[in-house]
Amino acid sequence: QVQLQESGPGLVKPSGTLSLTCAVSGGSISSSNWWSWVRQPPGKGLEWIGEIYHSGSTNYNPSLKSRVTISVDKSKNQFSLKLSSVTAADTALYYCARFKNEYPVGYYFDCWGQGTLVTVSS
Amino acid sequence: EIVLTQSPGTLSLSPGERATLSCRASQSVGSRYLAWYQQKPGQTPRLLIYGASSRATGIPDRFSGSGSGTDFTLTISRLEPEDSAVFYCQQYGSSPPMYTFGQGTKLEIK
Repeated sequence: QVQLQESGPGLVKPSGTLSLTCAVSGGSISSSNWWSWVRQPPGKGLEWIGEIYHSGSTNYNPSLKSRVTISVDKSKNQFSLKLSSVTAADTALYYCARFKNEYPVGYYFDCWGQGTLVTVSS
Repeated sequence: EIVLTQSPGTLSLSPGERATLSCRASQSVGSRYLAWYQQKPGQTPRLLIYGASSRATGIPDRFSGSGSGTDFTLTISRLEPEDSAVFYCQQYGSSPPMYTFGQGTKLEIK
C-alpha cells in the first residue's frame, strides 16, 4: 500500500521560499500516476497547487504558476515543492497526494500524506 | 476554469436521517472526472466517490453519488454520528490539466 510523507520547515519568513518534500513508500514514483501538492489554509478549503509525472512533466495552478516549482527525484522515490515569495496568505497545511487515472471509470486523488503545516511569519 | 459551488454550507441532521449534498459546476463536467471526499477534523481527506457514482474501496453503501453535466449529488442515507465531517467535491479538467475543489459542506450530526 502506497504511503506518502511530507517533510520540510514548518516556519518560513515572508518573501522567502517554502520547500517541502514528499517521500513515497510502498510503491514506485515511476508508476503511471501523477503526483500532486494540495494545500489547505487553516479552517478553509482545499486548493490544488500542481503536479508532476515521473518523466518530469509538470502542470501548475495558474493562480500560483509564477511562484511554483515541482520536481521529482526518482532515485529517492520522492518529489518536491518550492513556492517562492511567500506571504502570510501561503500559511496552510500542505498535502502531497497521488492522482489515479482509472480510465474510463474515474479520476481521483486516492492516496494522501498526513499533511505538514507551514506558517509564514517573521 | 471550472468553479464548483457546494450547497448547503452547513447541514445539521439527526442520526438515521438522510443527507443530500449538492455540487454545481460552472460548466459541464464529465462524470468520470467528478469525485467526493470526506474530511473529519484533524484528518486527511478520504476518497468516498469517484466517477460521480462509484464508491471507493471500503466505503459503506450508505454513501452514494449521482448526477451529470453541471449538477452532482452526494447522498448519505441512515446518518451515523461518525459521519460528521466536511465533504468536498472535486473535478479534473484536462485542457489544461487543472483540479478544482468545491468550498465544502459541513455536516453536523445532532
